[in-house]
Amino acid sequence: DQQVKQNSPSLSVQEGRISILNCDYTNSMFDYFLWYKKYPAEGPTFLISISSIKDKNEDGRFTVFLNKSAKHLSLHIVPSQPGDSAVYFCAANPGYNQGGKLIFGQGTELSVKP
Amino acid sequence: GAVVSQHPSRVICKSGTSVKIECRSLDFQATTMFWYRQFPKKSLMLMATSNEGSKATYEQGVEKDKFLINHASLTLSTLTVTSAHPEDSSFYICSASLGSAGETQYFGPGTRLLVL
Repeated sequence: DQQVKQNSPSLSVQEGRISILNCDYTNSMFDYFLWYKKYPAEGPTFLISISSIKDKNEDGRFTVFLNKSAKHLSLHIVPSQPGDSAVYFCAANPGYNQGGKLIFGQGTELSVKP
Repeated sequence: GAVVSQHPSRVICKSGTSVKIECRSLDFQATTMFWYRQFPKKSLMLMATSNEGSKATYEQGVEKDKFLINHASLTLSTLTVTSAHPEDSSFYICSASLGSAGETQYFGPGTRLLVL
């Protein structure tokens, strides 16, 4: 039972354009969401997060949007750069009483072409 | 800030031996550390949650006697793969969280284990 889903295993975008990575979740009790970027043979790097009390959080080229009614979040990268090519994982924190666990999606491999 | 290191980065061992992987939070005290395993082309699979001074909590299907976790201090957790077999070959990643609610986890660089 996949509680956090990233339905697109891969995405290819031209340099300079916008990359939009999507993530859906099933549990309305999830209250904190994160995006991580991962290169092969490395640990994930924290990118940006959003609390369920917000619907948008922006940090430089990265913006995360949260639609609670649709249980959907998305990561926008603009403008995309070749160095953004990596696997992006969305993750949900199910709440304080879950011991800080994160539930990860399957990942989306982003390829930004020059 | 929020740097997590892992050692070793890569290890090759013979079947039947034990391997210890260290995870350290370098610039903060981590109340909770997590151990993950990643299979090729797959997502991160949480193995266990480790709290300083207490026994680790293992996820369903993870053998606690096979994967021994020790969290001796607020900056160090270790994962020991006991009597390793080729099917234990994988990429092991640890993470550490800053707060008691553990909202954001910061990950180590991972350890590639190959069991021959």
